[in-house]
Amino acid sequence: EVQLVESGGGLVQPGGSLRLSCVASGFTFRSYWMHWVRQAPGKGLVWVSRLDDYETSPIYADSVKGRFTISRDNAKKTLYLQMNSLRAEDTAVYYCARPLHDNSGYYLGYWGQGTLVTVSS
Amino acid sequence: SDELTQPPSVSVSPGQTARITCSGDALPKKYAYWYQQKSGQAPVLVISEDSKRPSGIPERFSGSSSGTMATLTISGAQVEDEADYYCYSTDSSGDQRGVFGGGTKLTVL
Repeated sequence: EVQLVESGGGLVQPGGSLRLSCVASGFTFRSYWMHWVRQAPGKGLVWVSRLDDYETSPIYADSVKGRFTISRDNAKKTLYLQMNSLRAEDTAVYYCARPLHDNSGYYLGYWGQGTLVTVSS
Repeated sequence: SDELTQPPSVSVSPGQTARITCSGDALPKKYAYWYQQKSGQAPVLVISEDSKRPSGIPERFSGSSSGTMATLTISGAQVEDEADYYCYSTDSSGDQRGVFGGGTKLTVL
């Protein structure tokens, strides 16, 4: 069974940093591209970032480019999102997601339960 | 434009057919995926690659795509289908960044 478990969310002040983790199990993590998606309270889903299996091509939404860094540790089966220079508008539940198949990397199949990040003074 | 546009809300009675549309200029060249999100829960994939239904998803869920519009159809909607539904695809840039529609609140009552 595919499982994705996010952690690392919490309350942080504007301008601060936070690192999210997503631990994967039930599949060969190193074979899949991985994504982060966020959802502000009461709002819709927003795609944030994607990383390929060999960590060669991280891609970001314009809203987080230059502030967020996606990375992975295939040995630990873990995806990360380092978030710097956080703003109030970054407040959201952050989900990690995996494609349905290992040859459909751009699209999302399985989702974790999410971790809440609150940026406030 | 790479935006995906959905109606904010759709309402049907139980047993009726619900249709949720998603329009986008890039859709003729891209797949549309559909996700169901119930209150307080993570999204769940209900349709992949325009029209494929993942295992475990009821047969009443179907998808289609023609030109710049993708459609999610729920034939014989049930009360438990009440949820937010999002379409998803990628933009037309070389990076193929992900794009979600704004979401559609389906009410079944």
